[in-house]
Amino acid sequence: NAGVMQNPRHLVRRRGQEARLRCSPMKGHSHVYWYRQLPEEGLKFMVYLQKENIIDESGMPKERFSAEFPKEGPSILRIQQVVRGDSAAYFCASSPSSGRAGTDTQYFGPGTRLTVL
Amino acid sequence: GNSVTQMEGPVTLSEEAFLTINCTYTATGYPSLFWYVQYPGEGLQLLLKATKADDKGSNKGFEATYRKETTSFHLEKGSVQVSDSAVYFCALSSSGGSYIPTFGRGTSLIVHP
Repeated sequence: NAGVMQNPRHLVRRRGQEARLRCSPMKGHSHVYWYRQLPEEGLKFMVYLQKENIIDESGMPKERFSAEFPKEGPSILRIQQVVRGDSAAYFCASSPSSGRAGTDTQYFGPGTRLTVL
Repeated sequence: GNSVTQMEGPVTLSEEAFLTINCTYTATGYPSLFWYVQYPGEGLQLLLKATKADDKGSNKGFEATYRKETTSFHLEKGSVQVSDSAVYFCALSSSGGSYIPTFGRGTSLIVHP
């Protein structure tokens, strides 16, 4: 059973370009979370999605960032017009349910390390 | 809102030493508590969890006890190995935070032979 897959593992962009990060959840998981990890900091929640729905995007910057989880295919985190401050590691996690009981484990992918030149 | 505070690292130990990494939290509702481990270049992996007060989570020789009275979930291991070198994250989820996990900043552990 393959784990959570993310690609690319490393992405280099110049300022003003677009970055697309992909996440394929574990088989059978329909809940996807995106996090950003800045150097020397913990993980910051960005967005929580289910298939075709954004459930919670309270951690997403209001501009330039968007996310989707289509019916078919991976979840995509899209950053338009990247700036140097977007350089970070972006992690995707999946879970089998909404975790409403507060006990569900999240399974993390290996991350995409974005560098903006 | 929810928050997690971990001791700052790096924590540097010799092999077979005793490990404690402190974690305290504030939360609304009744949180579940987690420790995740991140090895270099990898994503986070769940190490252990506890879902109610006085529960003890354990895995691979690591333990943590959910202490509601002190709002703590300290990670301990009796004898660390070089292979335990990693970054450890304390986290919680609760109804007050819509069950979105809140993570601490992480504590780096370096174990020398």
